[in-house]
Amino acid sequence: SQQGEEDPQALSIQEGENATMNCSYKTSINNLQWYRQNSGRGLVHLILIRSNEREKHSGRLRVTLDTSKKSSSLLITASRAADTASYFCATDARGSTLGRLYFGRGTQLTVWP
Amino acid sequence: EPEVTQTPSHQVTQMGQEVILRCVPISNHLYFYWYRQILGQKVEFLVSFYNNEISEKSEIFDDQFSVERPDGSNFTLKIRSTKLEDSAMYFCASRETLAGEQFFGPGTRLTVL
Repeated sequence: SQQGEEDPQALSIQEGENATMNCSYKTSINNLQWYRQNSGRGLVHLILIRSNEREKHSGRLRVTLDTSKKSSSLLITASRAADTASYFCATDARGSTLGRLYFGRGTQLTVWP
Repeated sequence: EPEVTQTPSHQVTQMGQEVILRCVPISNHLYFYWYRQILGQKVEFLVSFYNNEISEKSEIFDDQFSVERPDGSNFTLKIRSTKLEDSAMYFCASRETLAGEQFFGPGTRLTVL
């Protein structure tokens, strides 16, 4: 299957520290998207990185993509308690009919004040 | 900023009853999706919809499920005869182009008793 898988499953850090979450997938992709989900709530789109891009920034977020290793990472710098949430990568598989996304199980990030 | 909206936010129903979950995608988007997330599990694709027809459906999307775009703004998911295992958070999503971000609504939490 195509599903992205995040690593670690859970991450606990102090405010101000950086948080790095990783995602691996299995087949070729058009793009990869990262989402945040607060407990029991909706999926908030964070960033999209295309298969021909290697790095992308948005505010305190930095995403990298290594298509040769079929992996991506999400770095949150200077984390805040409000960053506490689950983070998911979702892959848009090449050849997929009309862009269905494949999600991993997510990383639960806890940021302690 | 435009966003995907969903109603209701919570729906409680008895097993065997029909439910209709409603979504209003972002107005200039052309591609529409339904996903679901059973508590504690990953987000799973149900169906994609384009040009007034289903383009892809997963094995979850059996004959009990149907989707419709009854007018220019709404996109609905109907479950004809709900089962206990249909209890989940249901997310609607839309995107303007296949290369673009896929934006999700806040979800409808469906509880089947």
